[in-house]
Amino acid sequence: AQSVTQPDIHITVSEGASLELRCNYSYGATPYLFWYVQSPGQGLQLLLKYFSGDTLVQGIKGFEAEFKRSQSSFNLRKPSVHWSDAADYFCALGSYNTDKLIFGTGTRLQVFP
Amino acid sequence: ETGVTQTPRHLVMGMTNKKSLKCEQHLGHNAMYWYKQSAKKPLELMFVYSLEERVENNSVPSRFSPECPNSSHLFLHLHTLQPEDSALYLCASSQEKLAPLNTGELFFGEGSRLTVL
Repeated sequence: AQSVTQPDIHITVSEGASLELRCNYSYGATPYLFWYVQSPGQGLQLLLKYFSGDTLVQGIKGFEAEFKRSQSSFNLRKPSVHWSDAADYFCALGSYNTDKLIFGTGTRLQVFP
Repeated sequence: ETGVTQTPRHLVMGMTNKKSLKCEQHLGHNAMYWYKQSAKKPLELMFVYSLEERVENNSVPSRFSPECPNSSHLFLHLHTLQPEDSALYLCASSQEKLAPLNTGELFFGEGSRLTVL
């Protein structure tokens, strides 16, 4: 079955520290993978996407993610976190079998000054 | 007005009430969606409309009734809800039905926070 797992429910980092949010997926073919961010009181916004090619993809707001097929992972990273990055982050998998986006449960990022 | 707008932002209703959530998109998109967002659960796709035709209904209870009168407006009519229906209901739109898979471009509103007493 197709699924997305985000193992970390809640992560806290200090401003200026590096960040890595984990995402693992289960899918029988080459996945289309996405990261979305949901700031407090807002809807979800697309951060970045992976379809094929270069396994390191760049997104908005200084985020990047690396696709690792051998680990079935698509982890989100940022070298230096800003207080405004505090939000909920969702990993998603595009399934052409079902024509749907399958979302993970999300990781809440808290940033301390 | 830009993007996807949802009203009301907050709604409290009793189990016997009838209310409606409204969504309007100003992006010229052809597909619109209702999602349910509950704490610690993945986003649940409820309904998909493409060119004003309902193309997906993911086993949603009949107490939720969607309506899409035109490509810019989407409603979710609510009646005899249960407390477990309390959640954030998100409306989204995309250029066309498969665009979220092709491009990831799914534009969300800010959501309607529903509390059922």
